[in-house]
Amino acid sequence: EDKVVQSPLSLVVHEGDTVTLNCSYEVTNFRSLLWYKQEKKAPTFLFMLTSSGIEKKSGRLSSILDKKELFSILNITATQTGDSAVYLCAVGLGGSQGNLIFGKGTKLSVKP
Amino acid sequence: EPEVTQTPSHQVTQMGQEVILRCVPISNHLYFYWYRQILGQKVEFLVSFYNNEISEKSEIFDDQFSVERPDGSNFTLKIRSTKLEDSAMYFCASEGGFEQYFGPGTRLTVT
Repeated sequence: EDKVVQSPLSLVVHEGDTVTLNCSYEVTNFRSLLWYKQEKKAPTFLFMLTSSGIEKKSGRLSSILDKKELFSILNITATQTGDSAVYLCAVGLGGSQGNLIFGKGTKLSVKP
Repeated sequence: EPEVTQTPSHQVTQMGQEVILRCVPISNHLYFYWYRQILGQKVEFLVSFYNNEISEKSEIFDDQFSVERPDGSNFTLKIRSTKLEDSAMYFCASEGGFEQYFGPGTRLTVT
């Protein structure tokens, strides 16, 4: 069965801290790995990764994929209260599928 | 910036009634998806749609569910006879270049 596991499930930090969120996966037909930020409603797209070892960066957020060890990390540096959200990791399946398999998410709370 | 839109934002219906959830995907995207998220649980895939037909569906997507692209812009999810357990947030997503973008969701409450 295809699965995506995120850790930790929740995390409380103070503004200015750096956090690392983890995502491991086991799927039969990997195409891509995506990170989303979910605040109140819809998941907002952050990154898509398809190749190992290539870091994607957007401001204080960065992510990297390891296709050999089947995991990805999402780093957030100098956290702000506005980073408080649930961060979702999803694996996109290949072939005729294309749908995403989601993890349970990591709930990040950033305290002032 | 193009975005996926969904209507209504909240729908309350009685058990056994039919509901239609509407989505307008990003205009140049070709792949469309419906997902649902029951409160407190993870996002789950329902169905994918390409070239005017279903390309994949999950076990959740039983005979009570159907999808349609009636006019080349809207993408709809119909639930024929709603059950209490259909209460969830329903997200539409459209895909360009393997990146899936989600709409704001429709909260369906079945009473």
